Formats: sequence, C-alpha cells, structure tokens
Amino acid sequence: SQQGEEDPQALSIQEGENATMNCSYKTSINNLQWYRQNSGRGLVHLILIRSNEREKHSGRLRVTLDTSKKSSSLLITASRAADTASYFCATDAGGTDSWGKLQFGAGTQVVVTP
Amino acid sequence: EAQVTQNPRYLITVTGKKLTVTCSQNMNHEYMSWYRQDPGLGLRQIYYSMNVEVTDKGDVPEGYKVSRKEKRNFPLILESPSPNQTSLYFCATGRAYYNEQFFGPGTRLTVL
Repeated sequence: SQQGEEDPQALSIQEGENATMNCSYKTSINNLQWYRQNSGRGLVHLILIRSNEREKHSGRLRVTLDTSKKSSSLLITASRAADTASYFCATDAGGTDSWGKLQFGAGTQVVVTP
Repeated sequence: EAQVTQNPRYLITVTGKKLTVTCSQNMNHEYMSWYRQDPGLGLRQIYYSMNVEVTDKGDVPEGYKVSRKEKRNFPLILESPSPNQTSLYFCATGRAYYNEQFFGPGTRLTVL
C-alpha cells in the first residue's frame, strides 16, 4: 500500500512562477523525503525533513511538514525549464526499526514552459 | 566517481526464463534496495538490505529473490518471470540511518 500521495498529479506553469505540490501520508513517520525524476531516469534526492522539523530550505526549495495533518508541501520558487520533472515524496513507516523501508507516492508531474 | 550501476539496462525476455539484474555501488554504502516503478503507482519497494547477509521484504516481494553476499552488490533474481513483472526497476543505496538514497539508472524489463 502507498504511504504517501502527491497532489496535484500534474502541474503546468511558466518559467519564473512558483510550483507547489503536496504530499499526504497515513501513519506516523520518522522523516519525509522529496525526490525528483527526469523522464524515466533514476530518482535524485532533493531534501529530507525529520518529524520534529516544520520547515526546511535548500536553494530554491522549501519543504514544510505538518505531522498533525500528516502532510508535507514542496515549493519550488522561480521555476526554470530545467525543473520539468516528476516529484515524489517518500516516507518511512515510523518506529526505530523501519528506516530502511520506504514508501513512495505516485508523484506530481511538473512541466515548466519557457 | 560515486556510482550505482545496473545491468542490463534493457531486457526483453519470455515467461519462465530465469533472469538476474545486477546492482553494484562504489560508495561503500551499507544499505541497498530494489524498487519497481509502474505508471500511476509510483515506486514500490521489493526488497532491501541493511548490510551484508541481511535482507528484508519491502511491499511487493512476491516473485523476486535477492542476496547480499558482499557489500557492493545486490542482485535481483526473477526465478520464473511473468508478464506482470514487466516494469522499470531501480536499485538504490544509502548510508545506514541517513535515509537519503542514491538511485541507479534503471532497468527496463519486458516479459512476454
């Protein structure tokens, strides 16, 4: 079963605009990660936020985590054509012995047009 | 250069013909994992390994086997492939407890 689910499924924006996507999950977690995938290639890790953190930044990326709502958001500011990709959230299953077991959502497909 | 390599990258085979997809990493990572990716379903974890000789089932282990005899390699074995195992497969590695994973380039498998 999938732990994380992204919303929206697809997003089309113009260069310079911000892109926001959301991830909801079902059970408690130790941390939540976001990955990017370019057209059938391997995933690339973007950012990890731990369950005791509420917000994290990395370059043009901003991630928030609301454990009470079991949700996270990824904001890409000032988007570029190179940001065109699918974005996935991944969660562990919580607890002390589950860090290796990750569950991914179905992803948000982002298209940034020049 | 830090790398996760998978072989083969593309494979077309027939039902029931045993096959192995290899995964190798040069980053000395303890953790390795296999995923399959299907349209609309995202990535689903097949098996993972926390270290040599330690493997655990992910969410979709049926029809697959793995082994971890040495740290750098984590082969995925399909003893009797079936058409529903047609998918894009990814190997990933990471350092123990750090959670960030590094993905290989993927293996596209078609079972006829």
